[in-house]
Amino acid sequence: AQRVTQPEKLLSVFKGAPVELKCNYSYSGSPELFWYVQYSRQRLQLLLRHISRESIKGFTADLNKGETSFHLKKPFAQEEDSAMYYCALLSRRALTFGSGTRLQVQP
Amino acid sequence: EAQVTQNPRYLITVTGKKLTVTCSQNMNHEYMSWYRQDPGLGLRQIYYSMNVEVTDKGDVPEGYKVSRKEKRNFPLILESPSPNQTSLYFCASRLGGSHEQYFGPGTRLTVT
Repeated sequence: AQRVTQPEKLLSVFKGAPVELKCNYSYSGSPELFWYVQYSRQRLQLLLRHISRESIKGFTADLNKGETSFHLKKPFAQEEDSAMYYCALLSRRALTFGSGTRLQVQP
Repeated sequence: EAQVTQNPRYLITVTGKKLTVTCSQNMNHEYMSWYRQDPGLGLRQIYYSMNVEVTDKGDVPEGYKVSRKEKRNFPLILESPSPNQTSLYFCASRLGGSHEQYFGPGTRLTVT
């Protein structure tokens, strides 16, 4: 069975500091991974997906199959990045989400 | 506007009183899912549907039922709600394949 692990419940950084939100997965097939973001009082929305290899709002994530990781990174955090971040793995059934990491960017 | 809608957005009810949370999408998506979001546990899948009349259990299906009679609708039914079903519920839909999943605005349910 697939599993997604986000080991940090809360990550607090100062504005301008680098950010890395950790995500590890276990899956027997070839994984398709995503990061979703939930800003305060808003619905979840897609941030980025590994297959497109894009950078959204300055965030990037690289799939490392050897380490089974898909960490989310941003070189310089902004206050508006404060939100809940969920890593998710797509299987035939649906998306399996991690437990989420709350990112707090302090001024 | 392409969207997923849920009703009601907020509901307070008592133990044992049957309730239904509706979910509707206007994007002709095949896949629809229900999740519950709890502090420290993230999003857990309750049920999902791959198409009309095709539903299956997710990770936490106990105490819930669903139906998919039409492609656009995927209601969540709690036949006899209990306090441990107090949670924030999200409906979501997507096309087949690795397409973006669209979420509804959420339904905050409190069972006393």
